[in-house]
Amino acid sequence: AQSVSQHNHHVILSEAASLELGCNYSYGGTVNLFWYVQYPGQHLQLLLKYFSGDPLVKGIKGFEAEFIKSKFSFNLRKPSVQWSDTAEYFCAVSPPRGYNKLIFGAGTRLAVHP
Amino acid sequence: GAVVSQHPSWVICKSGTSVKIECRSLDFQATTMFWYRQFPKQSLMLMATSNEGSKATYEQGVEKDKFLINHASLTLSTLTVTSAHPEDSSFYICSACQSSLGETQYFGPGTRLLVL
Repeated sequence: AQSVSQHNHHVILSEAASLELGCNYSYGGTVNLFWYVQYPGQHLQLLLKYFSGDPLVKGIKGFEAEFIKSKFSFNLRKPSVQWSDTAEYFCAVSPPRGYNKLIFGAGTRLAVHP
Repeated sequence: GAVVSQHPSWVICKSGTSVKIECRSLDFQATTMFWYRQFPKQSLMLMATSNEGSKATYEQGVEKDKFLINHASLTLSTLTVTSAHPEDSSFYICSACQSSLGETQYFGPGTRLLVL
């Protein structure tokens, strides 16, 4: 079945460590890709998105993601995390001819310790 | 900009009653709105896509007679859970976007429903 996979369900890091969260999808054709973040008690916020062009996308709060078409991947990275990055991170894909609907991955819960 | 609100933020109801949840785009006109359901410690599952002035499109496995969606204006969509049962208890989240063509979705804060 077509899906969005996030490899890590829980990640624990110390402040200043580097972060990489994996996301793979199984849709063929042209897709739009997103990373959303949900801070504790808050609603989903857009971190970054990829529609076309430069496959390295920069988002808010120092996050970036790289689209690798051959690997059907859109991994999220941050060189140095902060305690305030503690949140749940969702990868989402808008599939071809999906009329803008989003299919979400299971989410990765990140805990950053001071 | 791009703020989406939901009302109520939480609701408790008795089994068999109906509950209406509102989703509003506060500072933009939303051609399309989406309704999701999120179970504890799980991801968002798309329930339906709602386009202003037309019938909603439901995802496979979602009962359209159970979850009534109305998108009467460009700033308001409603989800009514009819004859609610305890298994309908969940976190319901809406999102809105300005266009049906490759636009970013902006999410509401969600509504927590508890059916007793």
